[in-house]
Amino acid sequence: AQSVTQPDIHITVSEGASLELRCNYSYGATPYLFWYVQSPGQGLQLLLKYFSGDTLVQGIKGFEAEFKRSQSSFNLRKPSVHWSDAAEYFCAVGGVGGYQKVTFGTGTKLQVIP
Amino acid sequence: NAGVTQTPKFQVLKTGQSMTLQCAQDMNHNSMYWYRQDPGMGLRLIYYSASEGTTDKGEVPNGYNVSRLNKREFSLRLESAAPSQTSVYFCASSAGLAKQETQYFGPGTRLLVL
Repeated sequence: AQSVTQPDIHITVSEGASLELRCNYSYGATPYLFWYVQSPGQGLQLLLKYFSGDTLVQGIKGFEAEFKRSQSSFNLRKPSVHWSDAAEYFCAVGGVGGYQKVTFGTGTKLQVIP
Repeated sequence: NAGVTQTPKFQVLKTGQSMTLQCAQDMNHNSMYWYRQDPGMGLRLIYYSASEGTTDKGEVPNGYNVSRLNKREFSLRLESAAPSQTSVYFCASSAGLAKQETQYFGPGTRLLVL
């Protein structure tokens, strides 16, 4: 069965600092990988997704993620964090099948301090 | 475009009461989903509808029923609410089940069952 782990429940960074959120997955073949952001009181919004091809994926809001098969990871990065990036971030993994087979991680809450 | 809308935003129920959560999308999407979000557990799929006229169980369907009223609307019903159903409920939609499509989420309904 597929699974996804976000080892950091809560992360605090200073505005302007770089950010890396960790995501590790378990899946036998090449997975479909997603990163979503959830602002307070809002639904999830897709930041980026990886299906195949280039392992460095660019997303919205200046985010990028790198698929590393050898480490079973899909970490999310941003070179300079803005106060508006404070939110909860979810990694998700899917294999064969549609969205009904996607598994979400437990989320990482990002706090940005001035 | 409003995207995915949900009503109500917040609801308090007593154990044993029933209620229906409403969801509508204006993107002409075929597929719709209901998720619940609990602290430390990520999103879990309750039911989904691949297309108008079809519904299927997800990971946690017990205690819930759904109706795909038409292409736009997908409702979730709790026949006899239990405290374990206290959660935040999200509706989502996508053009199709395929993960190449983008999933769009509503703002959520926060439900408290006493």
